[in-house]
Amino acid sequence: GQQVMQIPQYQHVQEGEDFTTYCNSSTTLSNIQWYKQRPGGHPVFLIQLVKSGEVKKQKRLTFQFGEAKKNSSLHITATQTTDVGTYFCAAIRGSNYKLTFGKGTLLTVNP
Amino acid sequence: DGGITQSPKYLFRKEGQNVTLSCEQNLNHDAMYWYRQDPGQGLRLIYYSQIVNDFQKGDIAEGYSVSREKKESFPLTVTSAQKNPTAFYLCASSTTGAPGNSPLHFGNGTRLTVT
Repeated sequence: GQQVMQIPQYQHVQEGEDFTTYCNSSTTLSNIQWYKQRPGGHPVFLIQLVKSGEVKKQKRLTFQFGEAKKNSSLHITATQTTDVGTYFCAAIRGSNYKLTFGKGTLLTVNP
Repeated sequence: DGGITQSPKYLFRKEGQNVTLSCEQNLNHDAMYWYRQDPGQGLRLIYYSQIVNDFQKGDIAEGYSVSREKKESFPLTVTSAQKNPTAFYLCASSTTGAPGNSPLHFGNGTRLTVT
């Protein structure tokens, strides 16, 4: 089954509102990656988090890795219509080199 | 301009037929992967290859086969044994053979419909 649980499955916001998606695991993660897939497109790598408690920012996007390395979040400030798409987290377990993806959060933005 | 090319974009087959999906990369990446995407299911790993002439089963390998005779190419065959073959298939590559340590670069995907 899925190693990483991602919530929510869907999120609809008004343009300008904030958005957050969460990724949770019952086991400690070595690192975590985030991808974005536009409608009809393919996943595109956004970022990788490795260290406990790590926080990284890309313009309006803030990525966090939990202190216990069991959860992660992606927060978008003041959403824009260009943010529409599905956001996936992906992770591997310590010695398992299979990269497993969460089911994704589909974000829609009402202009 | 480097990248991953999947062809065709859309593929239609009759039930009981084998079909091969093409994936070519000119990024000089060692590792290549095949994922299947179904609505609401995220991406599930079918097969991956860390190096030429070697490949490993992913989480849903049953009914699929692959080959890695060249570094640039990693074709996926969907056999008649795959019970639910209709899906969106994504090929990816990365610089190292350990996924999760380097970003995956994805192709545009092949949407397979079997009737």
